Amino acid sequence: SAVISQKPSRDICQRGTSLTIQCQVDSQVTMMFWYRQQPGQSLTLIATANQGSEATYESGFVIDKFPISRPNLTFSTLTVSNMSPEDSSIYLCSVQDRGIYNEQFFGPGTRLTVL
Amino acid sequence: DQQVKQNSPSLSVQEGRISILNCDYTNSMFDYFLWYKKYPAEGPTFLISISSIKDKNEDGRFTVFLNKSAKHLSLHIVPSQPGDSAVYFCAASAGAGSYQLTFGKGTKLSVIP
Repeated sequence: SAVISQKPSRDICQRGTSLTIQCQVDSQVTMMFWYRQQPGQSLTLIATANQGSEATYESGFVIDKFPISRPNLTFSTLTVSNMSPEDSSIYLCSVQDRGIYNEQFFGPGTRLTVL
Repeated sequence: DQQVKQNSPSLSVQEGRISILNCDYTNSMFDYFLWYKKYPAEGPTFLISISSIKDKNEDGRFTVFLNKSAKHLSLHIVPSQPGDSAVYFCAASAGAGSYQLTFGKGTKLSVIP
């Protein structure tokens, strides 16, 4: 399976600022995704990061709040903009290769605390 | 409305005994189910999966059972080991090749030596 790294692993940020999270994969993958796990909650898909085009956002998530880039098949970034304490979560990227039916592999996550 | 439910937030089991983690779903369109294990400060790791055309899938100490009529699946770990202590997430998807996974809230398993 692909090896996925995320930077930063954790951060504490002030309200109103923005943080960009990086996701790097050691091989080219077709699909990359961004998830959020709020405290005590399940993992929720934010968006699909599409290479060379705009990300596809799930209901309840918008590009202005969570801009995403995917310049190539091994790298993506998620920005959490204009943060509030409600954005305190673990943010995870995942990848899926079309040859492996529905099985996604996750990065270690970025633990974000907003004060 | 939660489409995938794990009603037990936590479970404690003695080492060597069986661990049974349960998951219920409400969406009849789900046709592929996965279990993930998550250790603290790590991302979830894929454990085992099952397609709706089967009612059982086994991989070593891990077996997943699917009861479609009851919309229920369970993960059995036999024998349980202390290293199995982690949070286990049930996930489901609908349609061949669908990337959209719907997760439960997880069950924290503690295996007591």
